[in-house]
Amino acid sequence: AQSVTQLGSHVSVSEGALVLLRCNYSSSVPPYLFWYVQYPNQGLQLLLKYTSAATLVKGINGFEAEFKKSETSFHLTKPSAHMSDAAEYFCAVKETNAGKSTFGDGTTLTVKP
Amino acid sequence: NAGVTQTPKFRVLKTGQSMTLLCAQDMNHEYMYWYRQDPGMGLRLIHYSVGEGTTAKGEVPDGYNVSRLKKQNFLLGLESAAPSQTSVYFCASSRQNTGELFFGEGSRLTVL
Repeated sequence: AQSVTQLGSHVSVSEGALVLLRCNYSSSVPPYLFWYVQYPNQGLQLLLKYTSAATLVKGINGFEAEFKKSETSFHLTKPSAHMSDAAEYFCAVKETNAGKSTFGDGTTLTVKP
Repeated sequence: NAGVTQTPKFRVLKTGQSMTLLCAQDMNHEYMYWYRQDPGMGLRLIHYSVGEGTTAKGEVPDGYNVSRLKKQNFLLGLESAAPSQTSVYFCASSRQNTGELFFGEGSRLTVL
């Protein structure tokens, strides 16, 4: 069974600082990998996805993530945090032959002025 | 662009009451899902459907039933609500095999 681990349930950074949110997965076959963002009282929306093309994936709002097969990781980064980035972020994995995705527990990002 | 629409958005039930959450999508997606979100536990899959007329159990199916009579609709039923079912419920849909999920805005259910 696939699983997703997000290291750190809460991450706090200063405005303008680097954002790094960690995600490790376990999957027996090459997966699809996703990062979603959830703003307060809203549903989740897709930030970016990896589907076996380029290992460095660029998403919306300046975020990007790198797929590292040897480390089974898909960490999310942004060079400079904005106040508007404060939200909860979820990593998810879907095996290519499966109909469902598995989510991590989420990381709440706080951005300090 | 309606996308994925959930009704109702809020509901308060008493223990033992029943209710149905409705999810509708207008993107002609094959796959539909019901998740629940609880603090510190991420999203847990309740039931899902890979096509009209088909349903399958997810991670936490007990106490819930679903139906997918029409491709665009996915209903989640609680036959006898329990306080443990107090949660925020999210419906999502996706194209076949691409994996990207499109979410509704959520339905907040409180069971007293």
